[in-house]
Amino acid sequence: DTAVSQTPKYLVTQMGNDKSIKCEQNLGHDTMYWYKQDSKKFLKIMFSYNNKELIINETVPNRFSPKSPDKAHLNLHINSLELGDSAVYFCASSPGWGEEKLFFGSGTQLSVL
Amino acid sequence: SQQGEEDPQALSIQEGENATMNCSYKTSINNLQWYRQNSGRGLVHLILIRSNEREKHSGRLRVTLDTSKKSSSLLITASRAADTASYFCATDEKRGSTLGRLYFGRGTQLTVWP
Repeated sequence: DTAVSQTPKYLVTQMGNDKSIKCEQNLGHDTMYWYKQDSKKFLKIMFSYNNKELIINETVPNRFSPKSPDKAHLNLHINSLELGDSAVYFCASSPGWGEEKLFFGSGTQLSVL
Repeated sequence: SQQGEEDPQALSIQEGENATMNCSYKTSINNLQWYRQNSGRGLVHLILIRSNEREKHSGRLRVTLDTSKKSSSLLITASRAADTASYFCATDEKRGSTLGRLYFGRGTQLTVWP
């Protein structure tokens, strides 16, 4: 039983396209996150939602829009994809806001051609 | 901004040897965590040490924290080939405005040869 699952695992697309990545957690956690890992393995937070409410919105282009239909799901939609968006995107969850330990999904490798 | 920085970037050892990885950070923290990432997988939480703790153990893992030097170390004893992975430290700043943010470094790539 996968605790934090995200789909798709691989996403290859052309510049200018719009794509979505879905994430679901079955841990009953209140807080979910999106992180971006670049080619040098540097991992940086993008967004965080707590009980469907946006809490953290780092300096991410407006082309990135998270959506949380319920506290078990946090999807990431990306408009007008650019080459620099190529990275691995990780969804994560934690039991509650300020609860430090994160549970990560297995990542979505996005390649923009 | 606050980011953990791991050292060395890569470490290669034989099975049975101990592996030591270090992490340095810049500002005051509430706690420091270590995570492991196998190739092509997500990060898995290993251990958390709070700012008022100096040492913590979990199985073959030993973590130390020196807040005066703003550094931490992760020791894996009697390493196994299955320990091959990237290891990341993550810190949170001791400021309310950044609550919930974990800052990760670029990790140490550990390779354990059979």
